[in-house]
Amino acid sequence: GNSVTQMEGPVTLSEEAFLTINCTYTATGYPSLFWYVQYPGEGLQLLLKATKADDKGSNKGFEATYRKETTSFHLEKGSVQVSDSAVYFCALSSRAGGTSYGKLTFGQGTILTVHP
Amino acid sequence: DSGVTQTPKHLITATGQRVTLRCSPRSGDLSVYWYQQSLDQGLQFLIQYYNGEERAKGNILERFSAQQFPDLHSELNLSSLELGDSALYFCASSSRTGGNEKLFFGSGTQLSVL
Repeated sequence: GNSVTQMEGPVTLSEEAFLTINCTYTATGYPSLFWYVQYPGEGLQLLLKATKADDKGSNKGFEATYRKETTSFHLEKGSVQVSDSAVYFCALSSRAGGTSYGKLTFGQGTILTVHP
Repeated sequence: DSGVTQTPKHLITATGQRVTLRCSPRSGDLSVYWYQQSLDQGLQFLIQYYNGEERAKGNILERFSAQQFPDLHSELNLSSLELGDSALYFCASSSRTGGNEKLFFGSGTQLSVL
């Protein structure tokens, strides 16, 4: 079956530091890959996505590249801000077996805290 | 604001009871998804409805059921509640099913079973 493994947190950084959150996946077929972010007290928001190998998703300074050869989709940001403090989820969806794209498989989430 | 409304925000009940969680999708969205977020299981897909019909099923217990009404709002019914059902339940909506559509999540219903 499908699965997503994220690096365990929490991750604590100083403002303007470089961020990497590792994500690897196992899936049948050709999955689409996503990063969602959850701010305190809110629901998840789509941060970025990539739908095929070598695609790069980007948004708000965050980037992730779909690497089929290493089954990875690591999240990076060159300079984090205090406002980036949140929980980050890597997820995939796959149409293998006729399942819906909305049936996302999530990683465990990584808590990011950025200090001034 | 995602446009997805979930009520109530918090629910406290006792074991053995039954509760109903409500979700109103974004205007025009036909698909509704339910997810459960707990400390031990993480985020788990429960069930999806599209335009009133069940479309996909995940790790949903037999004690749980859902439906989507003609006005497209959805309800998740949880019965014979156990302590382990305590979790944050999210609803999400999208404009269609299939394809890489973006999901919009509500802010969740926090269920506490005492």
